[in-house]
Amino acid sequence: LAKTTQPISMDSYEGQEVNITCSHNNIATNDYITWYQQFPSQGPRFIIQGYKTKVTNEVASLFIPADRKSSTLSLPRVSLSDTAVYYCLVGVNTGGFKTIFGAGTRLFVKA
Amino acid sequence: AAGVIQSPRHLIKEKRETATLKCYPIPRHDTVYWYQQGPGQDPQFLISFYEKMQSDKGSIPDRFSAQQFSDYHSELNMSSLELGDSALYFCASSLIRMGDRVHEQYFGPGTRLTVT
Repeated sequence: LAKTTQPISMDSYEGQEVNITCSHNNIATNDYITWYQQFPSQGPRFIIQGYKTKVTNEVASLFIPADRKSSTLSLPRVSLSDTAVYYCLVGVNTGGFKTIFGAGTRLFVKA
Repeated sequence: AAGVIQSPRHLIKEKRETATLKCYPIPRHDTVYWYQQGPGQDPQFLISFYEKMQSDKGSIPDRFSAQQFSDYHSELNMSSLELGDSALYFCASSLIRMGDRVHEQYFGPGTRLTVT
């Protein structure tokens, strides 16, 4: 499973766009990149998943460069309720189902 | 929509006691995962089951065991509890579709275990 590195914390203000970058230098060919969001005392919640280039859904965008050694989660116009921990996961289901959460990024959105 | 159900939501036990946590996955989901999250820590993968068979193990202590039953619900059994076992325990479920390389996990609300 590829090791991931994210910033420990980030601050932002309401209405701003937030970009959280995750490094995964040893990502394997078959690995996908998945982001989860977690609020205090709640289970993580799936945000977005991608393999290459750009993926967008109603919540966020995920940018993956050609070398796939990093990825950037983009949250448009954040609000106070986006204050949470964001986890980047890299892996693939090859018959096993082990999911490793690394150290996430604690995002603080201020008014 | 139905979500993952965990019971109990809160549990207080004394050292050396046993505890059983239950997880009811989303209907038709065939995979269950268990995670432990200590205060201020990130979720730690414990164990997973696919179609009632153990699929993968993580950092699960030997004092813990788990299984998935014929109705797909799962139980995490914890014996000889220690103070350090105090944590939030999350269960997640997913549906494995043929051809999928990865899959979205749906997490339950968690069981808060306090060992005194």
